[in-house]
Amino acid sequence: ELKVEQNPLFLSMQEGKNYTIYCNYSTTSDRLYWYRQDPGKSLESLFVLLSNGAVKQEGRLMASLDTKARLSTLHITAAVHDLSATYFCAVDMYRETSGSRLTFGEGTQLTVNP
Amino acid sequence: SAVISQKPSRDICQRGTSLTIQCQVDSQVTMMFWYRQQPGQSLTLIATANQGSEATYESGFVIDKFPISRPNLTFSTLTVSNMSPEDSSIYLCSVGHRGYEQYFGPGTRLTVT
Repeated sequence: ELKVEQNPLFLSMQEGKNYTIYCNYSTTSDRLYWYRQDPGKSLESLFVLLSNGAVKQEGRLMASLDTKARLSTLHITAAVHDLSATYFCAVDMYRETSGSRLTFGEGTQLTVNP
Repeated sequence: SAVISQKPSRDICQRGTSLTIQCQVDSQVTMMFWYRQQPGQSLTLIATANQGSEATYESGFVIDKFPISRPNLTFSTLTVSNMSPEDSSIYLCSVGHRGYEQYFGPGTRLTVT
């Protein structure tokens, strides 16, 4: 059974600082997603990583994927308050015959303080 | 991206009753998915619904409790049957797009009393 572990689960950081959220998973996969969820809201897609070594950046967020280490990172640069949210990684055990099947990490609740 | 709507957005239901949640997409999609997010928790896949075939349920979820319909390529329903307080959750549908993207609907917040 695929296990997806995020750490930290709770992250309180100051504006302007940098930090990294880690997502480890237990079974080989080359598809990984990062989502953002604001309180009471649905999930917003941030990044789709589809191959080993994939790196994507959007604003202050950068995501990377190392399929050999079964590790993805979400790096936050110069955090701002607007980034406060819960961030989920999700691993896709995609098969052509059965399609996608996402398993989510526990989520990292990020609070950015002024 | 796909635009997804869900009805109802929230509901409060009594124990023992059933609720049907609707999911509508603005384009034809092959795969639709139903997830549950219990309070303060992550998301868990309930089942995958492909048009024209029976839904595929994940371990721990059964058709009698969560019957799913997928009558066409833009619509699906999830019924939560014989509800108990433990079914209080947010239920989200999602759709596959271009083979590698997944987008989520706004969710249905269910409270069972």
